[in-house]
Amino acid sequence: EVQLLESGGGLVQPGGSLRLSCAASGFTFGSYAMSWVRQAPGKGLEWVSSISVDGDDTYDADSVKGRFTISRDNSKNTLYLQMDSLRDDDTAVYYCAKRFSGYIDYWGQGTLVTVSS
Amino acid sequence: EIMLSQSPATLSLSPGERATLSCRASRYVSKNLVWYQQKPGQPPRLLIYGASTRATGIPARFSGSGSGTDFTLTISSLQSEDFAVYYCQQHHTWPPVYSFGQGTKLEIK
Repeated sequence: EVQLLESGGGLVQPGGSLRLSCAASGFTFGSYAMSWVRQAPGKGLEWVSSISVDGDDTYDADSVKGRFTISRDNSKNTLYLQMDSLRDDDTAVYYCAKRFSGYIDYWGQGTLVTVSS
Repeated sequence: EIMLSQSPATLSLSPGERATLSCRASRYVSKNLVWYQQKPGQPPRLLIYGASTRATGIPARFSGSGSGTDFTLTISSLQSEDFAVYYCQQHHTWPPVYSFGQGTKLEIK
C-alpha cells in the first residue's frame, strides 16, 4: 500500500523558513517523480514544485520560484520542501504527491503551514 | 500557461440524478487530463486519467470523456458519497508544473 506521510508544518512568522518532509513507503520511491501541491484554506489546488526521479531536475511554480526548494533522498525514501522567505499567502495545506506519467496517482494527508505574525 | 476553466462552480442535485461536470482548457492538451475528487478534510483522490480511464477502485458510475480542449466528467446516478468537490488537471505541458481547474462543488439539493 502506497503511503506518503508529511511532517514539518506549523506556525511561522512572515519572512521565516520551514522544511517539510514526506516519508514514502509501499512503492519504489526512486523510480517515480514527485511533487508538492498546496491548498489554501477554502481554496483550490495549486501545483507548487516537481522533481525528477534522480533529483537532478526540479521545477517550481512562479509563485514560489526563488523561495522554495524541492529535493529528495532516495536512500531514505524521503521528499523535502525547503520554504524560505515565507509570506502570508503561503498559508496552506501542503500535500506530498507521487506522480505517474505526469499526473498524481497518490496523495499524502497533508501538513498545514500557517504564516502569521 | 494553460488555464483550466470548470463549470458550473456549484452543482446542486439529488441522489439518483445524473451529474455532468465540464472542464475547458485554454489550449490543446490532447487527452492529458485527469479528474480528482476531494471530500472535506481529505486529500484529493484520483478518479479518471487519460481523460476517460477510471482509476483503480473507482465505480463504473464515474465516466470521463473529451480530448483537445473540452472534457466532461459524468456521474450516472449520484450516491450520497459522491457529493464533494471535483477538480480537473492537465499534464500536457512542460515543465511539469501543472495547472488545476478551480473546482466544481457538487452539493445535495
